[in-house]
Amino acid sequence: DSGVTQTPKHLITATGQRVTLRCSPRSGDLSVYWYQQSLDQGLQFLIHYYNGEERAKGNILERFSAQQFPDLHSELNLSSLELGDSALYFCASSVMASGGAYDTQYFGPGTRLTVL
Amino acid sequence: GDSVTQMEGPVTLSEEAFLTINCTYTATGYPSLFWYVQYPGEGLQLLLKATKADDKGSNKGFEATYRKETTSFHLEKGSVQVSDSAVYFCALSRFSGYNKLIFGAGTRLAVHP
Repeated sequence: DSGVTQTPKHLITATGQRVTLRCSPRSGDLSVYWYQQSLDQGLQFLIHYYNGEERAKGNILERFSAQQFPDLHSELNLSSLELGDSALYFCASSVMASGGAYDTQYFGPGTRLTVL
Repeated sequence: GDSVTQMEGPVTLSEEAFLTINCTYTATGYPSLFWYVQYPGEGLQLLLKATKADDKGSNKGFEATYRKETTSFHLEKGSVQVSDSAVYFCALSRFSGYNKLIFGAGTRLAVHP
C-alpha cells in the first residue's frame, strides 16, 4: 500500500458525459501528479500540482482539467468524454516540487475509466 | 524530445532463470533513471533508481546500472520467481524544475514454475 488513495476504482460512463476522479496523496506529500495509461499511448504524464498550484502540464487535452484543494487532495475532471478516453488514470504524490530522483513518486492503484 | 525504449514483451521464463529487460533512453543532459513494477490490478511501485552515470540501483534481487556511454539502464535478476510476474516500466526524469516521469512502453514478464 503506497498510501495514495484514488476513487472510484472503476467508472463506466457514456460518450459526451463528464466525470471526476479523486486522489488523496500520502500524508505529508505536497505534490500530486496525474498520469494516463492506455493501450495505444502507454503511460503519459498529464499534469502536476504542488501545494495547490499548477506546476507543469503534459499531454493533457483541453477537455480535461485538474485542481488541488487546500487539504491537498486533487481532482481530475474529464468532460465531453470520447471512446478514446477509456484508460487507467493514475495519481502519484511526492514530497517536493522539483526534487528529481531524490523525490520518489508514489502511485495510487488507479481509476479504470470505460467510456461506452 | 526525451524518450525511453524498452524491449517488447512478453518475456516468459522458468523459475530460477536469469532475467534481462533492456532499456535505452534519449535525453539531453543527465537524466535520472528508474524501474517501476506494476503487479496485476495494482498501481506502479518504484523498484530501483539511479541518479548519475555508473550508479547501480538495486532492490529485491533486481539490479540496473546507469550506462551513459550506451544510454542504457538494463534490468537484471539472477534468479526469478513466480512472484516476479508483473509489468516492468523503465522511466526517466530530468531535473528541469518539475518531476515529470517519461515512461517506456512496459515489458510484461511471466514466470512459470
